[in-house]
Parts: sequence; structure tokens; C-alpha cells
Amino acid sequence: AQSVAQPEDQVNVAEGNPLTVKCTYSVSGNPYLFWYVQYPNRGLQFLLKYITGDNLVKGSYGFEAEFNKSQTSFHLKKPSALVSDSALYFCAVRDGGATNKLIFGTGTLLAVQP
Amino acid sequence: GAVVSQHPSWVICKSGTSVKIECRSLDFQATTMFWYRQFPKQSLMLMATSNEGSKATYEQGVEKDKFLINHASLTLSTLTVTSAHPEDSSFYICSASPGGLGSGNTIYFGEGSWLTVV
Repeated sequence: AQSVAQPEDQVNVAEGNPLTVKCTYSVSGNPYLFWYVQYPNRGLQFLLKYITGDNLVKGSYGFEAEFNKSQTSFHLKKPSALVSDSALYFCAVRDGGATNKLIFGTGTLLAVQP
Repeated sequence: GAVVSQHPSWVICKSGTSVKIECRSLDFQATTMFWYRQFPKQSLMLMATSNEGSKATYEQGVEKDKFLINHASLTLSTLTVTSAHPEDSSFYICSASPGGLGSGNTIYFGEGSWLTVV
């Protein structure tokens, strides 16, 4: 069964510093990986996805993610964090079944301190 | 990106009554929509897959008679919480994909609906 894991419940980073939110995956077959962000009391916003091709995927709001097949990871990164990046981040994978639904990680709360 | 709209954003209802939440794909047609439930500071729990013109597919443990799903058109799915109780209070989110169910297609989410049962 497809799954993703987010090992950190919370990540704290100072504004201006680089940030990394970790995600590892377990899939049979090709991985289709996604990152979403959720601001308080809001729905999820799509950030980026990996389907195939370049291991470095660029997305919205200056975020990028690096697909690493040998480490089965898809970490989300940003070179310089903003206070406004503070939110809940979800990694997800398509399950490949009949409806190909998204399987979510447990989420990581990113707190950027000014 | 594609737009998925939910209504209402917030709803308060009395225990024992029913409440309906709408999910619309505004700029694309969606034969399949997904309904999730989310508790505070937790991940999303898939409740059911809504299929246009046919019955919804419910996840294990989700009461189909309590959470009625209707997908009557290619742009609208509704979730009705019947005989609501305080434990049904939660954040409900729907999602859909303009490209269908292909693995590489992006799934877009609505803004969510907060249900409070008093």
C-alpha cells in the first residue's frame, strides 16, 4: 500500500533562514507525490508535485522539493523563510487504486519566527 | 489552478437536525469528488468518494446513512450530515481534479466548511 510519513510534527525556523519539511514515501511502482499547505481555518492549497523527470521540482510561493529515489524522500524546501509561510504542510501520494485518491501524511506545522 | 468552492464556510446547527454542505467545481467538470473530515491540528480523513450519477463509495467506518452524499451533476456534490450530534462537529473539505483520476493530475481542494453542532 502507498504511504507517506512526515517525521516532524513541528518545524521552527527563523525568518530569512532556509527551511526543510521532511517527507518519506513508500510505494509500489512509480511515485506520484504532492505537497499541500493549509493556513488556519482554510482548505488545502496545492504547492507542487513530482510525476517524473527532474528530481528538483519548483512550486508556488518560492517552494521547491527534491525527489530522492535512493532515500525514498520528497523533502519540501525554501531558501529563505517568511513569517507568512507559517502553516500546516501535508505531503501526499496517489494510491494508484480505482479512484487514485490522495493518501496524506500526518502534517507538519511550520512556525517561522520573526 | 482549478477552483473548487464550498458552501457554507461556517454553519451552526442544533443537535438532531440535518445540514447540507455543497461542493462545486467552478471551472471544470468533475465526475469524481472526494469528501474529507479534519479534526483540529490533525490530518485529513477521507470519508467517501462521490461519483456523478451513481452511489458514493464510503471508507470503512463511515456511516453512509449519516453522511449522505449526492453527486447529481458534473459540477456539484453535496454532503448532508443527518441527525447531527455534537461529535459530528468538524471541518469538512471536498476536493476534485480537473484532469480526472490520472496519477499525475492535481487534486484541488475547497476552502472547507466548519460544522458546529450545539
